[in-house]
Amino acid sequence: KAGVTQTPRYLIKTRGQQVTLSCSPISGHRSVSWYQQTPGQGLQFLFEYFSETQRNKGNFPGRFSGRQFSNSRSEMNVSTLELGDSALYLCASSLAGFSPLHFGNGTRLTVT
Amino acid sequence: QQQVKQSPQSLIVQKGGISIINCAYENTAFDYFPWYQQFPGKGPALLIAIRPDVSEKKEGRFTISFNKSAKQFSLHIMDSQPGDSATYFCAARRGNYGQNFVFGPGTRLSVLP
Repeated sequence: KAGVTQTPRYLIKTRGQQVTLSCSPISGHRSVSWYQQTPGQGLQFLFEYFSETQRNKGNFPGRFSGRQFSNSRSEMNVSTLELGDSALYLCASSLAGFSPLHFGNGTRLTVT
Repeated sequence: QQQVKQSPQSLIVQKGGISIINCAYENTAFDYFPWYQQFPGKGPALLIAIRPDVSEKKEGRFTISFNKSAKQFSLHIMDSQPGDSATYFCAARRGNYGQNFVFGPGTRLSVLP
């Protein structure tokens, strides 16, 4: 089975711009979660989507949003980028229940 | 409390030795505890996971020990190898909140040849 695929791998954006990140989950996984990873804050939960509905949301401002499509693919959008948004953004998919997250290799976002 | 505490922050072990990483939590609603390994430039990869009704789980050289009453769990890596040098994260799932995981801050393991 193919793993979780995230595109693009690297992005450089300017403050004030917006960005969209894409994630294709493992086939059959209906839950897709997004995490932000930084050296200072570690891995922080952004949100989870399940069957096209946002099921959970972390403690991030409304500039961070996402969606999930009927094929379980997901996108994450960050508007009005700030320097502090520079991070590795990780997508993870999983089955329901007591199932672990399976992570992609992330999108490295740099805001200048 | 939604935090998961993890120690040590960094660990140096000789090849063939045992690496031990500890985690603790407060929230009794956490119901599933995976461990992840992350290499530079890669996403975290699942190592092993445990539910709180099990006290120990072993997969190859990796063992999770779980103490429900103390709200602590640990990862033991037996016969540590230089290829195990990576950052390790413990995690806990918030029960009844879907796939919502809280991660520890990570332990950077270096295994010397």
